[in-house]
Amino acid sequence: DTAVSQTPKYLVTQMGNDKSIKCEQNLGHDTMYWYKQDSKKFLKIMFSYNNKELIINETVPNRFSPKSPDKAHLNLHINSLELGDSAVYFCASSQNPTDTQYFGPGTRLTVL
Amino acid sequence: SQQGEEDPQALSIQEGENATMNCSYKTSINNLQWYRQNSGRGLVHLILIRSNEREKHSGRLRVTLDTSKKSSSLLITASRAADTASYFCATLIQGAQKLVFGQGTRLTINP
Repeated sequence: DTAVSQTPKYLVTQMGNDKSIKCEQNLGHDTMYWYKQDSKKFLKIMFSYNNKELIINETVPNRFSPKSPDKAHLNLHINSLELGDSAVYFCASSQNPTDTQYFGPGTRLTVL
Repeated sequence: SQQGEEDPQALSIQEGENATMNCSYKTSINNLQWYRQNSGRGLVHLILIRSNEREKHSGRLRVTLDTSKKSSSLLITASRAADTASYFCATLIQGAQKLVFGQGTRLTINP
């Protein structure tokens, strides 16, 4: 029983394409997150949703658009992909914004 | 500059020895959390310590927090090969609702 799952695990695409990453959690948590981990392993928050409402929107290009259809899902859509978008993207969830976070396995995005 | 910085960046020890990793931060926090990341995997939560706590234990893990020095340490006792991973501290900044992660310590346990 996977707590936080992401699809796909690997994504290789050309510059300029549009792609989506999906995330689902079965923990009954109210808060979900997207993080980006760069090649130096630095992990930075991108977005956070609490009860389907956007509460954190870091300085992220507006080519990135999160969507939360319900509390259990948080998807990330990326338009016009650039080389610099290559990274591992992690989804996470927690009961509330101050609590322990549970991470998905990550999606390794490679933009060629 | 980052909120959390970890020291050392890399640590290599023999199996059975203790490993200590340190984390320093800049602003007031609500809590500090330690996570482990095995190569190619997601992060796994280890311990959460609140700003009014000084020490916490979980199995072979011991975390201390010194808010006057804005620092925390993670001690892993009797290390095992399976402890090989990157360890991250993350701070929940007071008044904010987001975790800020350090760059991690890469721990290697040699058999």
